Amino acid sequence: DVKVTQSSRYLVKRTGEKVFLECVQDMDHENMFWYRQDPGLGLRLIYFSYDVKMKEKGDIPEGYSVSREKKERFSLILESASTNQTSMYLCASTYSGTSGRLGYEQYFGPGTRLTVT
Amino acid sequence: AQSVTQPDIHITVSEGASLELRCNYSYGATPYLFWYVQSPGQGLQLLLKYFSGDTLVQGIKGFEAEFKRSQSSFNLRKPSVHWSDAAEYFCAVGDDRGSTLGRLYFGRGTQLTVWP
Repeated sequence: DVKVTQSSRYLVKRTGEKVFLECVQDMDHENMFWYRQDPGLGLRLIYFSYDVKMKEKGDIPEGYSVSREKKERFSLILESASTNQTSMYLCASTYSGTSGRLGYEQYFGPGTRLTVT
Repeated sequence: AQSVTQPDIHITVSEGASLELRCNYSYGATPYLFWYVQSPGQGLQLLLKYFSGDTLVQGIKGFEAEFKRSQSSFNLRKPSVHWSDAAEYFCAVGDDRGSTLGRLYFGRGTQLTVWP
């Protein structure tokens, strides 16, 4: 079974703090994604990465950055947390077509519920 | 641009009743379509997917979905709902083009409540 793990289930941070959310997958997936989920808005893509050290902006990248130094790990960084970043954060991964293993279905971690006070 | 619409924000059904959740997509090419389910406080779990072939696809937990190209729809159905089906359901369409290969576009979700 594919496993995607996230470093914390719940996190409480103060405004202005630097926050790191970590995601690790164990299936040698090329693509990894970070979403935030808010009631009534569904999942919105923040950033994604299709290879080590590569990143692409999603629909709402402002206030966030990412790091992918190893294939299995994708980190989301809030440089200076703000209250409007209080949300559920979901990480996902999938194969890329470039590897010849076309999957498309994304496998999700359990999520991190971040509260910024 | 790709998009997914789930017209029903919230649906309530009685246990044992049939269920249909609607999903409409906008995509220029042959779509890759998915339904995911999210139980409270959990991540998303894949229910079923459509890539090609038979337009009626079977998934886990007794769910099925039908792809109708003429209506740009991919509705999810279950003949008899169980209380454990109460959850939020998301429809998604996949992008198979260029640098956005593998990206999914999600609808806003439909919350399902099941009355005993």
